Amino acid sequence: GNSVTQMEGPVTLSEEAFLTINCTYTATGYPSLFWYVQYPGEGLQLLLKATKADDKGSNKGFEATYRKETTSFHLEKGSVQVSDSAVYFCALKDGSASKIIFGSGTRLSIRP
Amino acid sequence: GAGVSQSPSNKVTEKGKDVELRCDPISGHTALYWYRQSLGQGLEFLIYFQGNSAPDKSGLPSDRFSAERTGGSVSTLTIQRTQQEDSAVYLCASSLAGAGVGTDTQYFGPGTRLTVL
Repeated sequence: GNSVTQMEGPVTLSEEAFLTINCTYTATGYPSLFWYVQYPGEGLQLLLKATKADDKGSNKGFEATYRKETTSFHLEKGSVQVSDSAVYFCALKDGSASKIIFGSGTRLSIRP
Repeated sequence: GAGVSQSPSNKVTEKGKDVELRCDPISGHTALYWYRQSLGQGLEFLIYFQGNSAPDKSGLPSDRFSAERTGGSVSTLTIQRTQQEDSAVYLCASSLAGAGVGTDTQYFGPGTRLTVL
């Protein structure tokens, strides 16, 4: 079945550091891929998405590229801020399915 | 415009009581979803509505859980005879089109935190 694997947290970085959160997926079809973010005390927010191979999703300085050959969708940001501290979820949705399948989440903490 | 709203934001109940959780989707969204977020299980899908019907109920953990949607809008998730293991954050999401549209994006509400004592 479909599944998402993302790097275990927590991840702690200093402000202005480079961020990578790894995500790989298993899917039988051609899914859409998402990164959702959950800030402390808030609900899930869509951060970015990509719907086909080689697409790059981007938002708020974050980027992720849909790599079909490596079945990956790694999240990157060149210079993180304290305000980026949150839990990040990689997720996929198969076109024929209704549900989103989420990874286990990666907690990111940024030190000033 | 307004996002997905859920009520109550917090609910504390005693074991064995019934609870109802409400979700108001984004206006015009035909698809509605319920998920559960718990420490041990992560984010789990519960049920999907397209309009007022529920073609996918595969995630409901037991027959104590049920949901309905009326008027193609508001949805209620009901948990009967609550157990301590039902404690979790219950999230509702809505989307424009639903299953079969791969690019369809789900937008989430703030959740209802349920605590069963």
